Amino acid sequence: SQQGEEDPQALSIQEGENATMNCSYKTSINNLQWYRQNSGRGLVHLILIRSNEREKHSGRLRVTLDTSKKSSSLLITASRAADTASYFCATDDAGGTSYGKLTFGQGTILTVHP
Amino acid sequence: DAMVIQNPRYQVTQFGKPVTLSCSQTLNHNVMYWYQQKSSQAPKLLFHYYDKDFNNEADTPDNFQSRRPNTSFCFLDIRSPGLGDAAMYLCATSRDWKSGRTDNEQFFGPGTRLTVL
Repeated sequence: SQQGEEDPQALSIQEGENATMNCSYKTSINNLQWYRQNSGRGLVHLILIRSNEREKHSGRLRVTLDTSKKSSSLLITASRAADTASYFCATDDAGGTSYGKLTFGQGTILTVHP
Repeated sequence: DAMVIQNPRYQVTQFGKPVTLSCSQTLNHNVMYWYQQKSSQAPKLLFHYYDKDFNNEADTPDNFQSRRPNTSFCFLDIRSPGLGDAAMYLCATSRDWKSGRTDNEQFFGPGTRLTVL
């Protein structure tokens, strides 16, 4: 099964700055999702972008998807200290019997300093 | 509020002593998943239930079993925990994505952190 690769592995910024995280994957997908995980907690779904979409917004989040490059980016604008968390991309691989399952990337650890 | 609940939040067991982790959901979702997540790693899917159909991942050790007695509850049994099984165990649910009428976003519980002594 494929796995998303994320970069950077860690990102440290000041409050108010924008944070950009990238995700690359290997095979065709139905959709790509981003999740957030606070330290020692479960994951929280942030946003889903389908394979036929190129950009999506939700509040301070902006996600782009480039299926030709097999990559996605998550932009958090005007970051806050409360955005400090790990961010994971997850792909729903197209075709086969794995439809519906998600494969998670290794994650980006974001630290936002007050 | 509808949610996914995991108990206990922290579990300590001894090497080789069977342990059961529980998950319940009030979302009435068809699908329930168990993931293992080790420190600074991605969640790794162990298995999932689509309604009553059990789907094991090819690389999930036999030491891990699961039960889903009804829609709301799902259990993870570790028959003989080893030191390498110490991890966070995450339960998640999603709606009926096979019908194609909904996306497969997943809703996670807070996790159970397992320590093996």
